[in-house]
Amino acid sequence: AQSVTQPDIHITVSEGASLELRCNYSYGATPYLFWYVQSPGQGLQLLLKYFSGDTLVQGIKGFEAEFKRSQSSFNLRKPSVHWSDAAEYFCAVGPAKAGGTSYGKLTFGQGTILTVHP
Amino acid sequence: NAGVTQTPKFRILKIGQSMTLQCTQDMNHNYMYWYRQDPGMGLKLIYYSVGAGITDKGEVPNGYNVSRSTTEDFPLRLELAAPSQTSVYFCASSYVEGVNEQFFGPGTRLTVL
Repeated sequence: AQSVTQPDIHITVSEGASLELRCNYSYGATPYLFWYVQSPGQGLQLLLKYFSGDTLVQGIKGFEAEFKRSQSSFNLRKPSVHWSDAAEYFCAVGPAKAGGTSYGKLTFGQGTILTVHP
Repeated sequence: NAGVTQTPKFRILKIGQSMTLQCTQDMNHNYMYWYRQDPGMGLKLIYYSVGAGITDKGEVPNGYNVSRSTTEDFPLRLELAAPSQTSVYFCASSYVEGVNEQFFGPGTRLTVL
C-alpha cells in the first residue's frame, strides 16, 4: 500500500533562514510526487511536482525539491524563508498518469506546519 | 474561469441533521474527489468520481454519499450528522488524460454539535 510520512509536525524558523521539510514515501510503482501548500483558511495550492527526469525540481515561490529514489524521499527546500511562507505543507504521492485503474488518486502525508519568526 | 468552487464556506449542524456540500468545477475535468482534513491527519479520500454517473468509495466513505449527474457538479451528502464528521472538506478535480494534477476548492468547514 502506498503511504507518505512527514516526520516533522511543526517547524519554526527565523525569517531569512533556510528551510527543509522532509517527506518519505512508499509506492509500488513509479511515483508521481507533489508538494502542496495551504495558507490559513485556504485550499491547497500546488508548489511543485516530480514525475521523471531531473531529480531537482523547481516550483513557485522560490521552492525546490529533490527526489532521491534510494532514500524514498522528496524533501522540500527554500534558501531564505519569508514571513509569508508560514503555512501548512503537504507532501503527496500518486500515479504518474491520471487515467488507468488508480484514477489519479493521491495519498497525502500528515502535513508540516511552518511558523516563521521575524 | 473560477476553477473549483465549494459552498458553503462554513456550517454548523446539530447531531442527526443532514446537509449537502456543493462542489462545482468549470474546467471540464472528468475526475473529481472529496477529501476531509483533520488536524495532524492530512487529507483522507472520502469518495471520487471518474465521470458523470460513476462514483466509488475512497478511504473513509462511511456516513457520506455522493452523486455525479453532470461533469461539473459533485455534491457530498451527510445524512445523519455525527460529531466525528466535524472536519474541513475539500473538493478537487483533475483531467483524465495526461499528467496527474489535482486542483482544489477553498474548502467547507463543518462543525457538528
